Amino acid sequence: DVKVTQSSRYLVKRTGEKVFLECVQDMDHENMFWYRQDPGLGLRLIYFSYDVKMKEKGDIPEGYSVSREKKERFSLILESASTNQTSMYLCASSDRQGTAYGYTFGSGTRLTVV
Amino acid sequence: AQRVTQPEKLLSVFKGAPVELKCNYSYSGSPELFWYVQYSRQRLQLLLRHISRESIKGFTADLNKGETSFHLKKPFAQEEDSAMYYCALISGGYQKVTFGTGTKLQVIP
Repeated sequence: DVKVTQSSRYLVKRTGEKVFLECVQDMDHENMFWYRQDPGLGLRLIYFSYDVKMKEKGDIPEGYSVSREKKERFSLILESASTNQTSMYLCASSDRQGTAYGYTFGSGTRLTVV
Repeated sequence: AQRVTQPEKLLSVFKGAPVELKCNYSYSGSPELFWYVQYSRQRLQLLLRHISRESIKGFTADLNKGETSFHLKKPFAQEEDSAMYYCALISGGYQKVTFGTGTKLQVIP
C-alpha cells in the first residue's frame, strides 16, 4: 500500500558532504515536492517539480538542488551539507488535479549534519 | 503572497470537551484549503478538504471567506485525536501548497 517511499529514515552526514535524498512514488503522479519540517516553523517548500526534468524553486531553495530524470523519482541534493540543514525532510506527490485528493506524503528522512 | 496562520502551537483539552483548531489565511485568489494530520510516528496525511464539505473522524471545517478562516472543529475530543494538525492552502497551477506552522493537539484523559 506504500505509495511514496523515501529511501532513508535516518541519515547522519558530516558538514561539507554532498547529500542525496531519494523519493519514489508509484501513483504515476505528475507533481512532486520536497519540504522540510521544523518545530515551530511547520512545513516549508524547498523545490517542486510538475513534470520530468522540470523544477521550480519553493520558498527556501538556497543550499539545495533537485533532479527529476524519471516521472516516479524526485531527488533532493544538498550540495555541501551544513548544520542548519539538520531537519526532517518530507517528500510528497500529487496528480495534476491535486485539489481532489491532496498530497500523498512519504514517511520522511531525518537528516542530522554534524 | 499566500500565507496560512495557525496561532496556537499547543492546544490542550480534556477528553469529551469540544475542540477548535484555528486557521486563518491570506490569498488574493479563490482559496482551496485542507487540514492535514500527523499522528505520532506516522506520516502526514490528508484529513479534510474544504471542497468536499465532509466530516472525517468527527472533525468538520467550514470556509469563512469573510473572516478568511478555516477552523477545524470537533464536538467531543477523543484521546486518539492527539496529533499535530496543519492547515494548508493550495495555489497556482501546479498544486503548490502552503502550510501553516501547525498546532499540536493534546487530549487529556
